[in-house]
Amino acid sequence: DADVTQTPRNRITKTGKRIMLECSQTKGHDRMYWYRQDPGLGLRLIYYSFDVKDINKGEISDGYSVSRQAQAKFSLSLESAIPNQTALYFCATSAITSGRPNTGELFFGEGSRLTVL
Amino acid sequence: AQSVTQLDSHVSVSEGTPVLLRCNYSSSYSPSLFWYVQHPNKGLQLLLKYTSAATLVKGINGFEAEFKKSETSFHLTKPSAHMSDAAEYFCVVSDLDTGGFKTIFGAGTRLFVKA
Repeated sequence: DADVTQTPRNRITKTGKRIMLECSQTKGHDRMYWYRQDPGLGLRLIYYSFDVKDINKGEISDGYSVSRQAQAKFSLSLESAIPNQTALYFCATSAITSGRPNTGELFFGEGSRLTVL
Repeated sequence: AQSVTQLDSHVSVSEGTPVLLRCNYSSSYSPSLFWYVQHPNKGLQLLLKYTSAATLVKGINGFEAEFKKSETSFHLTKPSAHMSDAAEYFCVVSDLDTGGFKTIFGAGTRLFVKA
């Protein structure tokens, strides 16, 4: 079984609909992230959470919201989906590392492909 | 502000020949640098990372990268390409920026391996 599981893997929806993407992890990591991947743009950070009570906006949070229901669960919501939110979405986790921050490995789920018509 | 540039969007090599994927970064502090690989319909997997120790970093599957501060580069190499290396590769920089530490992904380089 995958350590970081995303559901659904594929979703087609219509403009204006509410969509939730879910992520669960069995790695025991405190830190969880949502990224968006678009061709030619790499991955961009939407939201991140360093523990259950800590939620932070990333560089492209407009139009998105998140919920950290438990240490192992982090969901991403699109309240009213629009076509330019069509993308591949990745959940990732990382452990707290000693020394300098942000030097730890990110562990990714297999992605959720969202198409908004 | 930090940034990362992958100089080639696509690279094509023949099986058995060397691989070079180029990455340049901009950072005002002392960055940590990573290479990740993404196979089709899969998430990203860490290949290797540099975090201020040895400048030549060895990773999985025969890949390695050299941190060159004077050239602000972190190019990924492999002596002999295998068909299974065909994938997309991302260079990533993590450094102190305004507001704290940030992680920036390059746009990616797609590697094609010809038989």
